Amino acid sequence: EAQVTQNPRYLITVTGKKLTVTCSQNMNHEYMSWYRQDPGLGLRQIYYSMNVEVTDKGDVPEGYKVSRKEKRNFPLILESPSPNQTSLYFCASSLSSQGANQPQHFGDGTRLSIL
Amino acid sequence: GESVGLHLPTLSVQEGDNSIINCAYSNSASDYFIWYKQESGKGPQFIIDIRSNMDKRQGQRVTVLLNKTVKHLSLQIAATQPGDSAVYFCAENRGGANNLFFGTGTRLTVIP
Repeated sequence: EAQVTQNPRYLITVTGKKLTVTCSQNMNHEYMSWYRQDPGLGLRQIYYSMNVEVTDKGDVPEGYKVSRKEKRNFPLILESPSPNQTSLYFCASSLSSQGANQPQHFGDGTRLSIL
Repeated sequence: GESVGLHLPTLSVQEGDNSIINCAYSNSASDYFIWYKQESGKGPQFIIDIRSNMDKRQGQRVTVLLNKTVKHLSLQIAATQPGDSAVYFCAENRGGANNLFFGTGTRLTVIP
């Protein structure tokens, strides 16, 4: 089954404790992206990747890191999480590198709570 | 500033009726639009898309209308079913490979 898989689905942690949210897609997609979703604000892009070893900042990249060493994986790293990063996070992928010109496939989300 | 917005945050319809969800955009350079459905506890799911060289596109029970004159996008759902209850939001490509902006969503509730 074609899918985008995120782990963990839920995480409660404390300020300053490094964490990684993994994202994997099995569709051989070139484009991958991370979003956060907050009430009243819609989806905002954190980082995106147009292919292996190619990553770039989205609209709200502060406090986050990403890497794209393999085509299928695009982990999101919070080196020193803070309470304002409490949010619902989504990973998405699309077939070609033109992520904004085609449908993106989303994972089911990771709910992070930073205390 | 420019924004992708929705006229109504909530919409309730009777089962079997048609639903219309609206979306306004302000960037005349936007050339690709997409509708997503998000059910509780799940990620957004692609419904239908339309490019700026089209006015209308139909899918299974869904139709997207694009009015570039007034910068308005709508999603029509025919014969709305309980399974259609979800948050629907539109997104627009304001130009380029990665310039997609999402609206905040409309919650559709289907009354049995």
